[in-house]
Amino acid sequence: DQQVKQNSPSLSVQEGRISILNCDYTNSMFDYFLWYKKYPAEGPTFLISISSIKDKNEDGRFTVFLNKSAKHLSLHIVPSQPGDSAVYFCAAIRFFQGGSEKLVFGKGTKLTVNP
Amino acid sequence: KAGVTQTPRYLIKTRGQQVTLSCSPISGHRSVSWYQQTPGQGLQFLFEYFSETQRNKGNFPGRFSGRQFSNSRSEMNVSTLELGDSALYLCASRSHLSSYNEQFFGPGTRLTVL
Repeated sequence: DQQVKQNSPSLSVQEGRISILNCDYTNSMFDYFLWYKKYPAEGPTFLISISSIKDKNEDGRFTVFLNKSAKHLSLHIVPSQPGDSAVYFCAAIRFFQGGSEKLVFGKGTKLTVNP
Repeated sequence: KAGVTQTPRYLIKTRGQQVTLSCSPISGHRSVSWYQQTPGQGLQFLFEYFSETQRNKGNFPGRFSGRQFSNSRSEMNVSTLELGDSALYLCASRSHLSSYNEQFFGPGTRLTVL
């Protein structure tokens, strides 16, 4: 049961344009959403996150939008740069009483930014 | 501050064998999580250890096990290897005071099962 879905395995954009990566989820109990970026031969690195009580979070060129009613979030990169070429993973966290957490990842979207 | 290190970086095994992977967290981090990355399933959470105890567990069979030592180093073991276990195994560490948005990943161990 894929609770976090990234339906586009790949995305290609031109340098300077906007990249929009999408993520859908099925569990309305998720409390937090994160985006990770992964280069080949390296581990993922945290990029940006958003709490379920927010609808937007911005950090420089990166903005994450959350639409809770649609159970959808998106990552916008503006302007896109060739160095942004990587695999982007969407992830969701649910917090439980007692302090435990459940972290679920999507399958990733490979972004290619062409010069 | 040194990052998360994983050894070995590459490993080739045959079906039926068992394998042990090692992860050394960032100094001071007491939580270590393990993940499996495959092209078909993406990144999947295996388990998390904190203070030598398994704190969270994903949906993997009992062939996948782990442990954590008193110095927070962690090992992951896979017994009776199957072809489908071929994957990149990532470990990540974080401070026990922080959430997953502050976890740091190692470079991974690429396991190939023949």
